[in-house]
Amino acid sequence: GENVEQHPSTLSVQEGDSAVIKCTYSDSASNYFPWYKQELGKRPQLIIDIRSNVGEKKDQRIAVTLNKTAKHFSLHITETQPEDSAVYFCARGESGGYQKVTFGTGTKLQVIP
Amino acid sequence: EPEVTQTPSHQVTQMGQEVILRCVPISNHLYFYWYRQILGQKVEFLVSFYNNEISEKSEIFDDQFSVERPDGSNFTLKIRSTKLEDSAMYFCASRGQPDEQFFGPGTRLTVL
Repeated sequence: GENVEQHPSTLSVQEGDSAVIKCTYSDSASNYFPWYKQELGKRPQLIIDIRSNVGEKKDQRIAVTLNKTAKHFSLHITETQPEDSAVYFCARGESGGYQKVTFGTGTKLQVIP
Repeated sequence: EPEVTQTPSHQVTQMGQEVILRCVPISNHLYFYWYRQILGQKVEFLVSFYNNEISEKSEIFDDQFSVERPDGSNFTLKIRSTKLEDSAMYFCASRGQPDEQFFGPGTRLTVL
């Protein structure tokens, strides 16, 4: 189906270390993979997205990788800072049209100063 | 930068009452969505809306729910007879091109 599995559910890292969050999906029609950051009580905010025609995308300290064959995609945050602490959601969708995005279960990231 | 707005920010209602949650999508967007998030859980899709009609809805979006775009700017979600389990944060989103969905700040619905 369209479900997305996300691991780990919680992640604690020391400031300056890297954090990696992994997701898997099953729907072969998926070709759009956004990542959202949600601070407590706030809206989900898109931080980066990737489409299936590329395997990797980077934006400063954030990078996403996609293995379409294995149906895996990952978020990498380098040089973590306390303000990176939040819940991160991966999601999948189908590019174009009116398609919804389906969210993963979320990862609560805590960056310890 | 344009933003999706939602009102009210918090709605408290009695079980069985009707509520209407309001959203103003980004003005040149054509696709509109409602999602909900029960406290501590993931964001769940409710419904998508395009060209003045529902394009897709989830199992959650039963006969108690309806959506409407009454004018050129507002997009509303109505829950006809609220239940305790409807308590959640409701997010409106809109999408232009290509794919990014912009979320509103949410309405926290509390059903007593």
